[in-house]
Formats: sequence, C-alpha cells, structure tokens
Amino acid sequence: AQSVTQPDIHITVSEGASLELRCNYSYGATPYLFWYVQSPGQGLQLLLKYFSGDTLVQGIKGFEAEFKRSQSSFNLRKPSVHWSDAAEYFCAVGARKSSGDKLTFGTGTRLAVRP
Amino acid sequence: NAGVTQTPKFQVLKTGQSMTLQCAQDMNHEYMSWYRQDPGMGLRLIHYSVGAGITDQGEVPNGYNVSRSTTEDFPLRLLSAAPSQTSVYFCASSYRDSPADTQYFGPGTRLTVL
Repeated sequence: AQSVTQPDIHITVSEGASLELRCNYSYGATPYLFWYVQSPGQGLQLLLKYFSGDTLVQGIKGFEAEFKRSQSSFNLRKPSVHWSDAAEYFCAVGARKSSGDKLTFGTGTRLAVRP
Repeated sequence: NAGVTQTPKFQVLKTGQSMTLQCAQDMNHEYMSWYRQDPGMGLRLIHYSVGAGITDQGEVPNGYNVSRSTTEDFPLRLLSAAPSQTSVYFCASSYRDSPADTQYFGPGTRLTVL
C-alpha cells in the first residue's frame, strides 16, 4: 500500500522568504502525486499534480514541486511567500485499485507567515 | 455552478444518535467520496462511489453507511454516533474514477459527538 510522509508539522517563514515543504512517498509503481492547500475553515484546493513527464511541475498561486524518483520525494516550493499563503498543506499519492481510485494523504504541514 | 456543497456546517450529537451528512455536486461527476480529517492524521477515506448505484468502502468505513441513488447526491449516514466519530468530514468529487482527474472538495462538516 502507498504511504505519504510530511516530516514537518509546523513551519514558520517570514513574508517574502522562500519556502520548501517536504513530502516523501512510498509506492511500488509510478506514482500520481498531488499537493493540496487548506485555508482555515475551508475545504482542500488542488495546487498542482504530477503524473509523468517533466519532473518540475508548476501550479497555482506561484507554487511548484519537483518529483525526484531517486529520493521518493515531491517537495513543494515557492520563491517568495505572501501572508495569504498561511494555511495547511497536504501532499497526497494516488493509486489505482482493482475498483475505484483513492488518494492517500500525508498528515499535513501547517504554514505560518511572519509579517 | 455551486461545485460541491455540504450540509450542515456544524453538528453536535449525543452518543447513540443517528444523522445524515449531506453532499451534493452539480458538475455531473461520476466519482464521489467521503473523508474524515483528524488532527495529526491527515484525511482518511471512509466510502466512495464510482457512479450512481455503486459504492465501496475506504480505509475507515466502520460506523458509516452510504448510498448513491443519483449522480448528484452522496449522503453519509452515522447509524449510532460515537465520540470517536468526532471529526471534520469532507465530501469530494471528480469527473471520473481516476487519480488523473482533479478532486473537488466541499467546505466540510464539523461534527462533535458528546
């Protein structure tokens, strides 16, 4: 079965600083990988996804992520954080079962932004 | 186009009570699912449906029932609520039964069981 690890529970960065959120996965085949963002009191919104091809994926809100097969990682990056980026971020791996598909989510990283 | 809607937003139950969490989508999506979100555990899949009349269990199905009589609606029933079911519940949908399709999440229902 697939699994996802987000080793950082909380991260605080200053506004304007760069950001990298870590995600490691375990899956026996080529993974489908996702990053979602959850603002307070809201549902989850897809930031970006990787299925195949170019290992650097661009998403919404200026985020990008890089798939590194050798490290089983899919880290999320942003060059300059804005106060509105404060939220919880979830990495997820998608797999095909015999019937139906499911996403396995990491436990999330809560991002705080200092003014 | 409202996307995925969930009602109620908040609910408090006593142990043993039953209730139904409502979920509806207006995007003609085939795939719908229910997750629960607990602190430090991320989102865990409860049940999912790949089309009207078809449902299956996810990772944590015990204590919950679902049905899918229409494409639009996917209610989640708690038969006899327990404190362990205190959680935030999210409904999600996607066009097809495939991880290639973006899943759209509702705003969630915060449930407390006393």
